[in-house]
Amino acid sequence: DIQMTQSPSTLSASVGDRVTITCRASQSISRWLAWYQQRPGRAPKLLIYKASSLQSGVPSRFSGSGSGTEFTLTISSLQPDDFATYYCQQYNTYWNTFGQGTKLEIK
Amino acid sequence: EVQLVESGGGLIQPGGSLTLSCAASGFLFSSFAMSWVRQAPGKGLEWVSTISGGGSNIYYSDSVKGRFTISRDNSKNTLFLRLDSLRAEDTAVYYCAKGENWGGGTCDFWGQGTLVTVSS
Repeated sequence: DIQMTQSPSTLSASVGDRVTITCRASQSISRWLAWYQQRPGRAPKLLIYKASSLQSGVPSRFSGSGSGTEFTLTISSLQPDDFATYYCQQYNTYWNTFGQGTKLEIK
Repeated sequence: EVQLVESGGGLIQPGGSLTLSCAASGFLFSSFAMSWVRQAPGKGLEWVSTISGGGSNIYYSDSVKGRFTISRDNSKNTLFLRLDSLRAEDTAVYYCAKGENWGGGTCDFWGQGTLVTVSS
């Protein structure tokens, strides 16, 4: 199985900050990586697919980059709605795996 | 508008069985893979199973293989997950999710989930 490791596990930031979350795969997954946002008590929401493609309706302050084994999700200027948990997911194989999550907290 | 509505969750004893359903609308159901993803209380997301648009290709995580069965009825736009030999560690919110394409891809729309609690 491909293991996905996110860092950090928790991130404290303020409204207006630029933040970056990293996701590393245990083997190359090309660009088959997605990022999701999950607010408490809600279903996950797709933000980014194929490493850097923005899902329709997602604000442009979200961006993704990377290929192979290292990927990043960047939020250019944090808004109050962005404080949530973020997950990466590899879909290079049908046996998808998720990272453990990064909780973005208000400082 | 894509809508996915899960049902069938509840309290079940260890060793018991349950069938979850996911009613889909707003897209051509038979053209897209569908998946189940679960989330134990306070934990992260865990992929469970995926079925291709036509139902011919099916994949399971090692943690549920041999105990859970995914299926779909394209005439009724409904996805199912049969859960057998349930264990306490299967307690979770179960989400159904629409795939990006016929074979799989990422999960571009999610239902609100249904809670399965395995306890005596």
